[in-house]
Amino acid sequence: QSVLTQPPSASGTPGQRVSISCSGSNSNIGGDYVYWYQHLPGAAPKLLIYKTNQRPSGVPDRFSGSKSGTSASLAISGLRSEDEADYYCAAWDDNLSGVVFGGGTKLTVL
Amino acid sequence: EVQLVESGGGLVQPGGSLRLSCAASGFTFSDHYMDWVRQPPGRGLEWVGRSRNNVKGYSTSYGASVKGRFTVSRDDSTNSVYLQMNSLKTEDTAVYYCARTFYFGSGTVSLFDSWGQGTLVTVSS
Repeated sequence: QSVLTQPPSASGTPGQRVSISCSGSNSNIGGDYVYWYQHLPGAAPKLLIYKTNQRPSGVPDRFSGSKSGTSASLAISGLRSEDEADYYCAAWDDNLSGVVFGGGTKLTVL
Repeated sequence: EVQLVESGGGLVQPGGSLRLSCAASGFTFSDHYMDWVRQPPGRGLEWVGRSRNNVKGYSTSYGASVKGRFTVSRDDSTNSVYLQMNSLKTEDTAVYYCARTFYFGSGTVSLFDSWGQGTLVTVSS
């Protein structure tokens, strides 16, 4: 059981916009930044969004992050086949004094 | 270019020990925190532990499932971070990733901006 809650799966067709949610509490998302990672099988995870809504250089602007209260979202617009991957949210948790992850969302591009 | 290369994974019996290494290059290693994250087969990512930088006194933190059994250490002279794993359990079987947490110098950090390819640890009799 993960501290942060994500839907196990999401899907969309090429060109569509999809959103992945991440729900937490005041001790993590509500009080700190949220991070999003893309993980392809057999590869290293890749940072997509840092400090809730910032994109590292090289990450397309199709990816965006937001937060409201104790929930966060990753939005992907103009969906492409290469976006098919597992997506994880993460944040520092003050109560646990450690980093917590969501359980991951498997995105399928139909 | 930031590079993180893990090594030391393998097969170990329950109750045994293993030491993982992560060699870093392409950045000023001593400036940043270094973390270990793992992924058990068929499951999601789990944070294992952290070594902070000199500014933060090289302090460490651990996830609840490994606290008291695992130790993170670092050697800034060789740009390496280590994960000593003792009293291993079958549930510790996972791919272990080394990851950098970027320290901005103002006291703020950015989690896991670079990752290694991972090394597989299998705990089985």
